[in-house]
Amino acid sequence: EIVLTQSPGTLSLSPGERATLSCRARQSLSSTYLAWYQQKPGQAPRLLIFGASNRATGIPDRFSGSGSGTDFTLTITRLEPEDSAVYYCQQYGSSLLTFGGGTKVEIK
Amino acid sequence: QMQLVESGGGVVQPGRSLRLSCAASGFTFRTYAMHWVRQVPGRGLEWVAFIPYDGGYTNKYYADSVKGRFTISRDNSKSTVDLQMDGLRVEDTAIYYCARGQRISEAFRKLDVWGKGTTVSVSS
Repeated sequence: EIVLTQSPGTLSLSPGERATLSCRARQSLSSTYLAWYQQKPGQAPRLLIFGASNRATGIPDRFSGSGSGTDFTLTITRLEPEDSAVYYCQQYGSSLLTFGGGTKVEIK
Repeated sequence: QMQLVESGGGVVQPGRSLRLSCAASGFTFRTYAMHWVRQVPGRGLEWVAFIPYDGGYTNKYYADSVKGRFTISRDNSKSTVDLQMDGLRVEDTAIYYCARGQRISEAFRKLDVWGKGTTVSVSS
């Protein structure tokens, strides 16, 4: 099982600032199998990024993904109040799917 | 409009069984793999089970925490995917989400459509 470690645990930023979220895998994985999700309180997760850097349908271009191997990043430029949420990375390998522990983004 | 609607959650005693169901609409169900994911309120996401588009002529997969107790199945004629949960434990208490996986022959592995979830509470 590939373990994903997300950091920081919580990010507190002001509107308009840039958020950089990290997802580190214990072993190298294919970028094809790395995705990011946003989850707001009381809601189901929503797919943001797949294949490490591809935005899902309807996702604003403020959201971008990058990385390869064991280090992946979700960047949110020009934070807006509605970006307040928990963000999860997810990998799919060896027929098992795992999620990172999540990063909470708070908007001041 | 693509939609997944879960049902079947409830309160059950430890050791008992429960069957969750997920009804899909708005897309060609039989061409997509499906997953169940759960979440203890206030905690992170935990993947539970996977079933390929063909319902198991290839492999189904389970998280170690539920292997041997939970069984995933699908009925492509009804566009439904079920999760049979036997031998339930207190630690199985969670919101259970149904989610759409990859399309036939698609390389990317993503869960791009999610239901709103159904709540399972295991308590004596």
